[in-house]
Amino acid sequence: EAGVAQSPRYKIIEKRQSVAFWCNPISGHATLYWYQQILGQGPKLLIQFQNNGVVDDSQLPKDRFSAERLKGVDSTLKIQPAKLEDSAVYLCASSFPRGSLYEQYFGPGTRLTVT
Amino acid sequence: QKEVEQNSGPLSVPEGAIASLNCTYSDRVSQSFFWYRQYSGKSPELIMSIYSNGDKEDGRFTAQLNKASQYVSLLIRDSQPSDSATYLCAVSLRGRDDKIIFGKGTRLHILP
Repeated sequence: EAGVAQSPRYKIIEKRQSVAFWCNPISGHATLYWYQQILGQGPKLLIQFQNNGVVDDSQLPKDRFSAERLKGVDSTLKIQPAKLEDSAVYLCASSFPRGSLYEQYFGPGTRLTVT
Repeated sequence: QKEVEQNSGPLSVPEGAIASLNCTYSDRVSQSFFWYRQYSGKSPELIMSIYSNGDKEDGRFTAQLNKASQYVSLLIRDSQPSDSATYLCAVSLRGRDDKIIFGKGTRLHILP
């Protein structure tokens, strides 16, 4: 079974520029998550999709971040304009319920550096 | 009180010994608990999940859950240098099985 795919793996941009990340979840996984992980911290949830609907975006900085999940499969996360504090690893994860247990599986991440 | 707390370490354990990693959580209605391993520069990898009180064993790994004490731990037997990584504890949040919150992780260093 193929894992969660993400691209690009690395991105360097200047502040105030825009950037987009792409994620393809594990086949059949209806729930998709975007996390931000700053060095030395655990992943922080930015947005959660169930199929193509948003379940939770309470921690998404909506003035600069946006995300969509077209047709309930692939997803993109965009930052516009970027700030220095957005430098982090952006992780995509997907899950499928086994009973009440949702085990999340992560992609390789995109390391963003904002200069 | 932070929702998921872990000692940041580093925790140094001799090769072959038992490594014990601990995690406490604040939400009494949490139902699902996870341990992820994260190597430097890599993404988190799920190694154990548990939702019933008691022990769950998988190879050299044992997860222990005590809901009354709001405590979950991970034991690694016969520690190997390849176990050196950051271990992230994650807990389902406020009765929502599909959403989890992570601790900051414990850095584990296995001494050859």
